[in-house]
Amino acid sequence: SQTIHQWPATLVQPVGSPLSLECTVEGTSNPNLYWYRQAAGRGLQLLFYSVGIGQISSEVPQNLSASRPQDRQFILSSKKLLLSDSGFYLCASRATNEKLFFGSGTQLSVL
Amino acid sequence: AQSVTQLGSHVSVSEGALVLLRCNYSSSVPPYLFWYVQYPNQGLQLLLKYTTGATLVKGINGFEAEFKKSETSFHLTKPSAHMSDAAEYFCAVSGGSARQLTFGSGTQLTVLP
Repeated sequence: SQTIHQWPATLVQPVGSPLSLECTVEGTSNPNLYWYRQAAGRGLQLLFYSVGIGQISSEVPQNLSASRPQDRQFILSSKKLLLSDSGFYLCASRATNEKLFFGSGTQLSVL
Repeated sequence: AQSVTQLGSHVSVSEGALVLLRCNYSSSVPPYLFWYVQYPNQGLQLLLKYTTGATLVKGINGFEAEFKKSETSFHLTKPSAHMSDAAEYFCAVSGGSARQLTFGSGTQLTVLP
């Protein structure tokens, strides 16, 4: 089965600083990859998804970007963080005909 | 620390029958609880959530869930299953202001004609 490695688990960053969250997947190939965000007390919001290397779809306009440089690597980035970027970020992976697997998440606090 | 256990990775019901998907949680703080659904080839969609207040929560598509603190449960129900309900369902817990979201392993619901 799949294993998703997501790091760091917690992150505190000042406003205006850059961001890079990394997600790597083991145990499968060519999965669909997702970045979600949850703000306090609210549901998950799909930020980006990718069906293959270099293929990124954005669901909502925002201060963030995503890249998929390798089949099993998915990176969430920002050049300049905003206060509103604070939240819980979750990476997920789904291979064809398989269940959805989640990473352990990153709690981001922008101060 | 928090965790979520979904009993039954696969559940099958007949169309028109009651849907019951089980979720138990553990949390060291008052929890926020969520049910998400993922339809084939789509992203996660929030069905319903419990934060505070009324323990019986109604969501979209006729689903509802009841928060039972004494049983640490948040089971999802729907009185009458429809073919379009076939999907994967995820229960999740968030530790209040800590915000970290922990998911259960998911339950695949099959609706039989």
